[in-house]
Amino acid sequence: GQQLNQSPQSMFIQEGEDVSMNCTSSSIFNTWLWYKQDPGEGPVLLIALYKAGELTSNGRLTAQFGITRKDSFLNISASIPSDVGIYFCAGLKDSNSGYALNFGKGTSLLVTP
Amino acid sequence: NAGVTQTPKFRVLKTGQSMTLLCAQDMNHEYMYWYRQDPGMGLRLIHYSVGEGTTAKGEVPDGYNVSRLKKQNFLLGLESAAPSQTSVYFCASSSLAGFEETQYFGPGTRLLVL
Repeated sequence: GQQLNQSPQSMFIQEGEDVSMNCTSSSIFNTWLWYKQDPGEGPVLLIALYKAGELTSNGRLTAQFGITRKDSFLNISASIPSDVGIYFCAGLKDSNSGYALNFGKGTSLLVTP
Repeated sequence: NAGVTQTPKFRVLKTGQSMTLLCAQDMNHEYMYWYRQDPGMGLRLIHYSVGEGTTAKGEVPDGYNVSRLKKQNFLLGLESAAPSQTSVYFCASSSLAGFEETQYFGPGTRLLVL
């Protein structure tokens, strides 16, 4: 599968700070997804992006689908301690792989009170 | 509505032993997937199924077999476990629409092979 390059690998911030992470790929994806994984749990979808250039918000989260369809970013504003977890970007190409997802390696976020 | 469930939650095996991981979904989804998650590697697709009775290989299928005898269940088998198969295994499912339909993940099965 196509590997997605996700950065940064980890972030250690104070409560109230804004967070930005991004994902890039050498190939095009039709859909970009951002998941959050809490310790001992499965990934949970945060935001889905379906069109190039699309900017979508979900509460304090904002994500964009890059114009080239090869990148996406996720911003978290005014972080809180419960934002702690691992954030994964995922790209979905087409039906040839049963709509399976290609995942980035994750960004580990730690928020101190 | 339980969503996606996985059993067992945790298992320890000796090298060479076999086991089956069970994934069940109650959302009437057509598509089901098995991923493995290793430190620093993200999630990688092992096998997937686009419907009852059909399966296909993903990115890292070696050492695993799967079966989809019932629409709601997707089984992942390890015939002869190896230490390299120590990992966290996640099952996911999505509806037929796939493209604009989110994948729902189970809570994971933690497998340790000694």
